[in-house]
Amino acid sequence: SQQGEEDPQALSIQEGENATMNCSYKTSINNLQWYRQNSGRGLVHLILIRSNEREKHSGRLRVTLDTSKKSSSLLITASRAADTASYFCATDQNTDKLIFGTGTRLQVFP
Amino acid sequence: DAGVIQSPRHEVTEMGQEVTLRCKPISGHNSLFWYRQTMMRGLELLIYFNNNVPIDDSGMPEDRFSAKMPNASFSTLKIQPSEPRDSAVYFCASSQSGANVLTFGAGSRLTVL
Repeated sequence: SQQGEEDPQALSIQEGENATMNCSYKTSINNLQWYRQNSGRGLVHLILIRSNEREKHSGRLRVTLDTSKKSSSLLITASRAADTASYFCATDQNTDKLIFGTGTRLQVFP
Repeated sequence: DAGVIQSPRHEVTEMGQEVTLRCKPISGHNSLFWYRQTMMRGLELLIYFNNNVPIDDSGMPEDRFSAKMPNASFSTLKIQPSEPRDSAVYFCASSQSGANVLTFGAGSRLTVL
């Protein structure tokens, strides 16, 4: 069964706005990652946050992790039409096994 | 590096036929994963290998599915016999063990009629 559930399932915004996606998971984790998938393509790694970290930044991406609530959020600032994709969180429990959530479909309108 | 290479990109077959999907991981990566993606079930981990050895195959749906990794540069996922419910996109991904960051292939879209 899937470890993560993303919320919302779908999100539509205008270019320049910020997009926030949330991920909840069920069990203790070692790392949490976010991936992006463009339509018809494979997933691409965006960012990894360790269980002892609370926040991480990479360019226009900001990820937070709250292990007490078993949740994470991905914020994309100043969104662009090219950010249109599905975004997935993925967790591992100190093994190589990576379990993906259900994904959020983001549509950014120009 | 050309990345993770999967073949075929698309396969259409009839129920009952054997299907073989192929994957070449990134050179130097010693973990390889097979995932299946459908609208209904999302991304499911089927099996993963570490140093060519299957570590966890608990996601393999049933005996009709088998996977092998005869060497560090090649893996196959076989479905025999195929059924319409096997229609999905099958992804192969690789990583360096311990790094846990996956590089995905472009996927193989399977349609079983």
